Amino acid sequence: AQTVTQSQPEMSVQEAETVTLSCTYDTSENNYYLFWYKQPPSRQMILVIRQEAYKQQNATENRFSVNFQKAAKSFSLKISDSQLGDTAMYFCAYTTSGTYKYIFGTGTRLKVLA
Amino acid sequence: KAGVTQTPRYLIKTRGQQVTLSCSPISGHRSVSWYQQTPGQGLQFLFEYFSETQRNKGNFPGRFSGRQFSNSRSEMNVSTLELGDSALYLCASSLEGQQRFQETQYFGPGTRLLVL
Repeated sequence: AQTVTQSQPEMSVQEAETVTLSCTYDTSENNYYLFWYKQPPSRQMILVIRQEAYKQQNATENRFSVNFQKAAKSFSLKISDSQLGDTAMYFCAYTTSGTYKYIFGTGTRLKVLA
Repeated sequence: KAGVTQTPRYLIKTRGQQVTLSCSPISGHRSVSWYQQTPGQGLQFLFEYFSETQRNKGNFPGRFSGRQFSNSRSEMNVSTLELGDSALYLCASSLEGQQRFQETQYFGPGTRLLVL
């Protein structure tokens, strides 16, 4: 069965510093998609970054980047120059084409400290 | 363009009752997914609809059901509510649910259901 594991329930980081959130997944598929979603307090979930498994290059979106290790089934999110607005719940998610189903991890609550 | 909307936003029910939640996707989006979010379990997939057809379903009991209308609006129903059904129910929409086209899934604000 496909699973997504986020082993860090809570993390904190000082403003302007860098933090890395961990995610591991289990799948027997070769072609799949990975995502990090952000859910700010009392606000809607939004997509932060996505990675296609067939692409070896790590995805980046401004201050957000991933370290995708396909063999290790690891997909970590690095947030550089952390800002107070980055305070949120972060979810790692996985899907494959044709399943129309996303599998989410249990989330990491990130708090950015002033 | 208006985002995904969900109604009602908050709901209090008692055990044994039933509830219907509604989701209106972004205009033009035909894929609608539902998730149950609880503090300990994270987000768990309930089902996905496209063009009024359920294409996939999560591991939930038959008390959880859904449907999609021709205008892509979707409803989910939970019958015989249990205390454990208390959760935030999220709806998400995308164009066609096809990842190979790099579609983005947009989430609604959720309906918070409390079962007493």
